Amino acid sequence: GENVEQHPSTLSVQEGDSAVIKCTYSDSASNYFPWYKQELGKGPQLIIDIRSNVGEKKDQRIAVTLNKTAKHFSLHITETQPEDSAVYFCAASPSGGSNYKLTFGKGTLLTVNP
Amino acid sequence: DAGVIQSPRHEVTEMGQEVTLRCKPISGHDYLFWYRQTMMRGLELLIYFNNNVPIDDSGMPEDRFSAKMPNASFSTLKIQPSEPRDSAVYFCASNWGGNEQFFGPGTRLTVL
Repeated sequence: GENVEQHPSTLSVQEGDSAVIKCTYSDSASNYFPWYKQELGKGPQLIIDIRSNVGEKKDQRIAVTLNKTAKHFSLHITETQPEDSAVYFCAASPSGGSNYKLTFGKGTLLTVNP
Repeated sequence: DAGVIQSPRHEVTEMGQEVTLRCKPISGHDYLFWYRQTMMRGLELLIYFNNNVPIDDSGMPEDRFSAKMPNASFSTLKIQPSEPRDSAVYFCASNWGGNEQFFGPGTRLTVL
């Protein structure tokens, strides 16, 4: 089955700096890669996703890059703000058909210091 | 839309007791997922349903765990008998066949 590794497990940055979180996956059949943000006491919420036919996707201060050859993808947050502090999870999934299983990384606790 | 609804939000029980967690997916969603979250193992998929039918239960840890979805608007996850190592946050999520999964707020289970 799929295995997703996520690094770092904790990340502390100053407000305004950039933050980068990296993930690797093992199953070459995976072609859907979402990122979820989990705030304290809440369920994970999708913030951005990318499919294997795209190398990069941006949404305001957030961007995700994908390298299918190397089987790794990254989340980039620019101009970080205190409200970006949360746990971030990457995930991988085969897309389409009847298989919508997401395999999650272990998470990164991001702290943005004012 | 109220989103995915889970109850109870917190459950404290004693070892050996039966625990039932409940989930109401978003109306119109035809996939429902149960996850368990712990510090050691992260977010693990336990089981998922499509149109009320269990599709993959390979993540269910053992026979003490069972899940049902009697209709499109309700699912339960039952643990019988419960053990201290079952303590975790249990999430329910749903989607309509696209890949984005919408998560509920979770049920924090503590087994003493």
